[in-house]
Amino acid sequence: GAGVSQSPSNKVTEKGKDVELRCDPISGHTALYWYRQRLGQGLEFLIYFQGNSAPDKSGLPSDRFSAERTGESVSTLTIQRTQQEDSAVYLCASSPKGGSNQPQHFGDGTRLSIL
Amino acid sequence: QKEVEQDPGPLSVPEGAIVSLNCTYSNSAFQYFMWYRQYSRKGPELLMYTYSSGNKEDGRFTAQVDKSSKYISLFIRDSQPSDSATYLCAMSATSGTYKYIFGTGTRLKVLA
Repeated sequence: GAGVSQSPSNKVTEKGKDVELRCDPISGHTALYWYRQRLGQGLEFLIYFQGNSAPDKSGLPSDRFSAERTGESVSTLTIQRTQQEDSAVYLCASSPKGGSNQPQHFGDGTRLSIL
Repeated sequence: QKEVEQDPGPLSVPEGAIVSLNCTYSNSAFQYFMWYRQYSRKGPELLMYTYSSGNKEDGRFTAQVDKSSKYISLFIRDSQPSDSATYLCAMSATSGTYKYIFGTGTRLKVLA
């Protein structure tokens, strides 16, 4: 079956531009997560959705970062006024329902480079 | 101090060797422990998922959790060149927090 799908796979943009990253979770998965992976570092949690609400957005690094989700489907992560330190791989994961007793399944990520 | 510590490697072993990968953690609230494998330019792939202490085996992979020592391990038997990847440990608590806390990953090379 289809896994978690992310687009674009690569994005190069100039400092100061806005970017939008997309995630299509596994069909039927109600929980969706965004993580950031900087070079040589582990994954950092950004935000968690249960359905279209976000009960935990504690990992968003600044107010330049926002995310939304339509129902139990697609999510978009938006970064405004990008900075060079935003360069990273942005990974999306989904699980059948919220709660840490459900394993998370990841997409291949969007590799974001800020020039 | 990071909540989860993992040696970044690289770890190089000959084909057929037994590989031992480890993580230590500081948060006693962690109850769920995961191991992911990540190939270059790919997303993490779930290998093992365990709850609380004990062992779990799946094919060539064995996961061990020692909560008293706050130490988890992944063993790979009869390692193959296709096992060459970065291995990430992750853990989470049972309530209030749904996010995974990840180690930095250990890069493994299995030499043919």
